[in-house]
This record gives sequence, structure tokens and C-alpha cells, in this order.
Amino acid sequence: EAGVAQSPRYKIIEKRQSVAFWCNPISGHATLYWYQQILGQGPKLLIQFQNNGVVDDSQLPKDRFSAERLKGVDSTLKIQPAKLEDSAVYLCASSSAGGVWENIQYFGAGTRLSVL
Amino acid sequence: AQTVTQSQPEMSVQEAETVTLSCTYDTSENNYYLFWYKQPPSRQMILVIRQEAYKQQNATENRFSVNFQKAAKSFSLKISDSQLGDTAMYFCAFMRYNNNDMRFGAGTRLTVKP
Repeated sequence: EAGVAQSPRYKIIEKRQSVAFWCNPISGHATLYWYQQILGQGPKLLIQFQNNGVVDDSQLPKDRFSAERLKGVDSTLKIQPAKLEDSAVYLCASSSAGGVWENIQYFGAGTRLSVL
Repeated sequence: AQTVTQSQPEMSVQEAETVTLSCTYDTSENNYYLFWYKQPPSRQMILVIRQEAYKQQNATENRFSVNFQKAAKSFSLKISDSQLGDTAMYFCAFMRYNNNDMRFGAGTRLTVKP
């Protein structure tokens, strides 16, 4: 079974530029998450989707961050414009909606963003 | 709000020995899940073990086991017969029942020495 795919693995941009990250969850997983992991900290949830609807985006800085999940499968997270403090690893995770494996989140390898 | 505290930023252990990583959490909920995730240098987070709060029996997965003390809100991870491949960041995480918002601790960096 293929895991959660993310791209790119690394991205370097200058402040005020825009950037987008892509995530493809495990096939059949209804729930998709985006996390921000700042160096030395645990991941922090930015947004959660259930199919193509947003369940929780309370910690998403909506003035500069946006996310969408087209057709309930792939997802894109965008930052526009980027700030220095956005430098972090952006992790995507997915989980199934039910069954014995419900609530277990499977993570991708992440995208490391450096804002200069 | 739920918070998760990992008080050991770094730990080391000799290969084949046993090590225990600490985790405490704060919640007013009665039903919830607790997790330990491993993040090797390659960055991909991998689930190590899961505990449901309503279960009194401590979860075990091969060399990994937990000591879950619900009243004390403590959830430690014991790694037996440590292997070099266990070197990684370990994150403790909390999730309320019927809510997939997972809260992570700051992590413990474990180094297994040959």
C-alpha cells in the first residue's frame, strides 16, 4: 500500500514570495491533515479535511495560508506572502474514517520550507 | 485546552539496554487516545504505539510498551533491547475521543549508542 506522498521535499524562497505544497493521501483515506513543524517543536495542526470539506482550520493563519482538497483526494497548501517565521517542515497526514484503524494518522515525509 | 509535556529533550542509551521516555498530559476529558510517534532523521513520522484511555491494560508492540497511569495523566514509553535503528525523535501525542485534533509534545531525541 502506497503511503502519503508529498512534494516538493525542499523549498527555498524569499520573504513575500508565494509557495505551494502538494499532498496525496493514502488511497481511501477520507481525512487529511496539514501540520506545521517548527524546528525543535512537535507538529501543530493547521487544517483538517473530511473528504473535501474543512473540519477544523482554527489554527490556520488565514491572512496568508490557504488550503484546498479537490474532489476529496489530493490537497494543496499555499502560503502567500511568506514570512521568515513560516520556515518549518510542513507535514501532511491522512486517516481512515472508521474501523479498527480509525484515528491513526499516517504521515508523509514532509516539505522543508526555508524563507530567506 | 489539552497540553502534552515531554520533560526530556534528549536521552541516550546503549544498544541492547532499556530506556524509558516520559510524557505527561493535561485534560479534563475522560475518553481519549494517546500515541507515541517516532520520527527518524528521514523525517517520516511512524506510529509506534497507541493506547485507549478506557483500557486499563498497557499497550505493547514487540519491544515497545507503555506505562499508562490515567489518574496521574502519565504515559511513558519503554523501549527494551534498544537497537541502533531506534535512534530518532519520539513524540507523545493526545487525541480526544471522536475528535481527530492531535496535540503533540515537543519531543525527545533518543540516541542509541553502539
